[in-house]
Amino acid sequence: QVQLQESGPGLVKPSETLSLTCTVSGGSINNYYWTWIRQFPGKGLEWIGYVYYSGSTNYNPSLKSRVTISIDTSKRQFSLKLSSVTAADTAVYYCASRIPVAGSAFDYWGQGALVTVSS
Amino acid sequence: NFMLTQPHSVSESPGRTVTISCTRSSGSTASNFVQWYQQRPGSSPTTVIYKDNQRPSGVPDRFSGSIDSSSNSASLTISGLETEDEADYYCQSSDTYNVVFGGGTKLTVL
Repeated sequence: QVQLQESGPGLVKPSETLSLTCTVSGGSINNYYWTWIRQFPGKGLEWIGYVYYSGSTNYNPSLKSRVTISIDTSKRQFSLKLSSVTAADTAVYYCASRIPVAGSAFDYWGQGALVTVSS
Repeated sequence: NFMLTQPHSVSESPGRTVTISCTRSSGSTASNFVQWYQQRPGSSPTTVIYKDNQRPSGVPDRFSGSIDSSSNSASLTISGLETEDEADYYCQSSDTYNVVFGGGTKLTVL
């Protein structure tokens, strides 16, 4: 059973870089697309992107210029960096995972981390 | 990029059946699997349907999913509604480059 836990600052200033880490316990680090998803205050969900254990990534085209997702398999952690943030990036950020098979669902989610962008 | 459109809210009485639609704006619903998630207040989403119509273990068979190619949409049907089914429901699908969620539907069981 995979368990995920987000960590990082809850408050980020406009124009700065948002950084979050997700720690993975249980399961194999090799078997999943390790993913970041955010949920806006109005409740909508947005997929940010994923990293595979090999380091390969895939990002939401609308965020691609500002997003970096990386993985440290030895620490069983993967990370999100979102640059040049604005108030529109205020959201609950979830780490999640799904197996790399068409039609697989995001079966494991962290509890979510609220990040507020404000000066 | 494509969009998935869901009704903002639906309501129904306990014991009845409700269907939530998810319409894809471009690309084929039939060619890209649809998943459905339930989110209760204060909790992370959980999967209720994957691969259009498959239920994870532990999800009651009151939950079912289907695809309608003619309307390019997917549907989640919940029969025998229970008060515990009251939640937000999200559809999700993909194309080659992107994963997209619907805007979510608030189900009220009253």
